[in-house]
Amino acid sequence: DAGVTQSPTHLIKTRGQQVTLRCSPKSGHDTVSWYQQALGQGPQFIFQYYEEEERQRGNFPDRFSGHQFPNYSSELNVNALLLGDSALYLCASSLRGSGARTEAFFGQGTRLTVV
Amino acid sequence: SQQGEEDPQALSIQEGENATMNCSYKTSINNLQWYRQNSGRGLVHLILIRSNEREKHSGRLRVTLDTSKKSSSLLITASRAADTASYFCATDARSGNTPLVFGKGTRLSVIA
Repeated sequence: DAGVTQSPTHLIKTRGQQVTLRCSPKSGHDTVSWYQQALGQGPQFIFQYYEEEERQRGNFPDRFSGHQFPNYSSELNVNALLLGDSALYLCASSLRGSGARTEAFFGQGTRLTVV
Repeated sequence: SQQGEEDPQALSIQEGENATMNCSYKTSINNLQWYRQNSGRGLVHLILIRSNEREKHSGRLRVTLDTSKKSSSLLITASRAADTASYFCATDARSGNTPLVFGKGTRLSVIA
């Protein structure tokens, strides 16, 4: 049973460029959330996707957008990259279920460096 | 904003000793989860404790939750060098499928 997989593992981009990060959730999970983790900080919530729609969003600008596909996989897109976007981007999957919250499982992350 | 605050920020112990990390949060929660992170890689889920639970065990891990004090603790017994990592608590609020809110973490170093 594959866990959460993210690609690529590392990425270097130039300021102003655009980037797409990918995530495949754990088998059986239907909800994908994205987090940004700066060095020495805890992860910060970007947004959450369920049933191919953005359901919740954190305090991130519109340069950050996403998508969820029918197979529950997801993409995170960041436009007009800034140096401050350099961080570890984490994807988490969970099962929305009937109300009782289940564990969220994380991928290994994508390390984005903007130069 | 980060709701959870782990304490201490850094902890250094000898192998075989116990390590205790604390987490405080601000609003009412549904669940509290603890995660481990090695060298800036992905988060590994350790344990989930629900708001109506007071204590939970998993192997060498013991988690307590005190909702009246809005705090939780993670105890790692008989620590090993491999336990060296950053530990985060994450909470989700009572209202629906809210996202996890993380603290800044505790950096644990276990010296062999």
